[in-house]
Amino acid sequence: GQQLNQSPQSMFIQEGEDVSMNCTSSSIFNTWLWYKQDPGEGPVLLIALYKAGELTSNGRLTAQFGITRKDSFLNISASIPSDVGIYFCAGQLRGRDDKIIFGKGTRLHILP
Amino acid sequence: DAGVIQSPRHEVTEMGQEVTLRCKPISGHNSLFWYRQTMMRGLELLIYFNNNVPIDDSGMPEDRFSAKMPNASFSTLKIQPSEPRDSAVYFCASSLRASGGILLAKNIQYFGAGTRLSVL
Repeated sequence: GQQLNQSPQSMFIQEGEDVSMNCTSSSIFNTWLWYKQDPGEGPVLLIALYKAGELTSNGRLTAQFGITRKDSFLNISASIPSDVGIYFCAGQLRGRDDKIIFGKGTRLHILP
Repeated sequence: DAGVIQSPRHEVTEMGQEVTLRCKPISGHNSLFWYRQTMMRGLELLIYFNNNVPIDDSGMPEDRFSAKMPNASFSTLKIQPSEPRDSAVYFCASSLRASGGILLAKNIQYFGAGTRLSVL
């Protein structure tokens, strides 16, 4: 089936550092989404991207929809303790299907 | 807005027992999704409904799993009989999709807090 390759699987950073994670696929996507999951909760949408090349920010978060439509990245600037969690990319393939496909997630740890 | 509501939050049961998970989607949403999350496999889509009709159940692992959506405000996921390998967190999500097949609200799915299932 369709797969999203998300990397890295986990990250250990110091508070204040910038973070970058990305997703790639062999398929072309219509939409890229980035979600964050806190412990014991469901994923919450951070950023949605709808056009190739689109660059969107949400506070300290910035995400881009790759020109080839096969990749996306998420950057977090000046990380803070509440950024800890699992970040998922998700994509919707071309067509009218409602399904979105999730990456395996990037687990972000912030060292004291 | 209450968001997607799932119950129970935690369920512990013995192998062989029937388990029923419940979901109330966001009012006005017409698509509903059931996911399973494990460390090994990540988030897997089990089944989804549009306007209460099952559209794709290809992710349902076995006949032991069944899902229903009797009306626009309620869905259940049932496992009968349950097995230890069914232990996971089960999420329900809902979204708004315009009738006629045109995607609306850009396909954003809103998730519930999940049900953590442990089958002993």
